[in-house]
This record gives sequence, structure tokens and C-alpha cells, in this order.
Amino acid sequence: DTGVSQDPRHKITKRGQNVTFRCDPISEHNRLYWYRQTLGQGPEFLTYFQNEAQLEKSRLLSDRFSAERPKGSFSTLEIQRTEQGDSAMYLCASSFEGPEQYFGPGTRLTVT
Amino acid sequence: AQKVTQAQTEISVVEKEDVTLDCVYETRDTTYYLFWYKQPPSGELVFLIRRNSFDEQNEISGRYSWNFQKSTSSFNFTITASQVVDSAVYFCALSEEKRDDKIIFGKGTRLHILP
Repeated sequence: DTGVSQDPRHKITKRGQNVTFRCDPISEHNRLYWYRQTLGQGPEFLTYFQNEAQLEKSRLLSDRFSAERPKGSFSTLEIQRTEQGDSAMYLCASSFEGPEQYFGPGTRLTVT
Repeated sequence: AQKVTQAQTEISVVEKEDVTLDCVYETRDTTYYLFWYKQPPSGELVFLIRRNSFDEQNEISGRYSWNFQKSTSSFNFTITASQVVDSAVYFCALSEEKRDDKIIFGKGTRLHILP
């Protein structure tokens, strides 16, 4: 399967711990997007990369959040000092420019 | 400002009935794209359709059809002869070429198809 993959699929962590999620985009897709979806809401844009460059960050991305895309391939999203409000589904999508984004299955984070 | 409004939070219909999900959008861009996604209980987003702003042709795919009207900034989705498997949350979404195609989602409509 050559779709977008995300790891882990589920993560339960205690408040104050750091977590890191990984996204592997479709091969050769140069754009990679992160979205967050809280219960009962639509996904909200967090940040995106064109190759290895992070070009835009949403106001939702507090300074506890950091994303990287070394070498323009996979991406990681780290949340430091997690809070209960960080509990959400974190979705990754990739595209080869243009509007067509392919979404991964998401990582569901629960902060206890 | 870009915005997608799905006024219907939740809809319940009996199986085999037709149902229309409403979507209204706001954008200042002249080149934009509209989407519908389905999100079943598993959580994965399933792409259903994309329409370009310069193509107002309606589309039909099996039991699904979409009505795009620029005059009213609407992009409605109709399921004909609904089935229980259609039960899911449906999201309407918008992306703009000038904003690097990041997608703005509506809040979704939860559709219950009752047997």
C-alpha cells in the first residue's frame, strides 16, 4: 500500500509528557500538511511543508508544538508538556502541489 | 475570509430515503476547490469529490450527486436511496489556490440512516 501512513495510530499519555507522531507521505509528494480534529469538529489546519521547508503555521500551533520534515520525506509532530486540551485526532495529508490531498488514517491522542 | 458552513449538525432518515446535506462557503479567491469527505466511525477521512471553481457542472456518481452553485456559494450533496452504510460524518471543505491549498473544513454533518 503506498498511501499516507501515520504512526502510532493511538497514543495515550499522561499530562505533562512529551509525545511524537510520525507521518510518511506518498512517495514524491512534495507537500505535507498536519491537521488536528477535536471531538465533534472538522479538521483544522496546523502547519504545512513544501519539501523540507515549513511554510506556514496556524495560530493553533502553540510553542509546545514543533514539526519537522528533514530531507523532505517523512514528518514528525512533537507536543511537549501535553495538556488535556491536546487530546484530538492528528491527521497528516500529502500532495504533489495542487489541491488534491491524500489523508492518512490519523493518530488519536488521549491525554489523561 | 474563508469559511465553510454546514448548518445541519445531525440528520436522521430512514433507509431508502433521499437526503441532502447542505454546504455554504465563503472565499475571496477566484480559483478555489470544494470537497466532500466522509468520515466513518473508524475515523479515516474518505475523499468523495472535488470541484473546481471554474466548473459548475453538477456531478453524479452512483447514488451520490453534487449541486455546485456559485451564485449562492453552495455545494450541496445528495444521497439517493440511502443505505445504512452511508451513516457517517460528512465534511464539506474548501481550499484556495492562493493559500497553498490548505483545506478549510466545515464542522460536519452527522448522518444516521435508520434501518
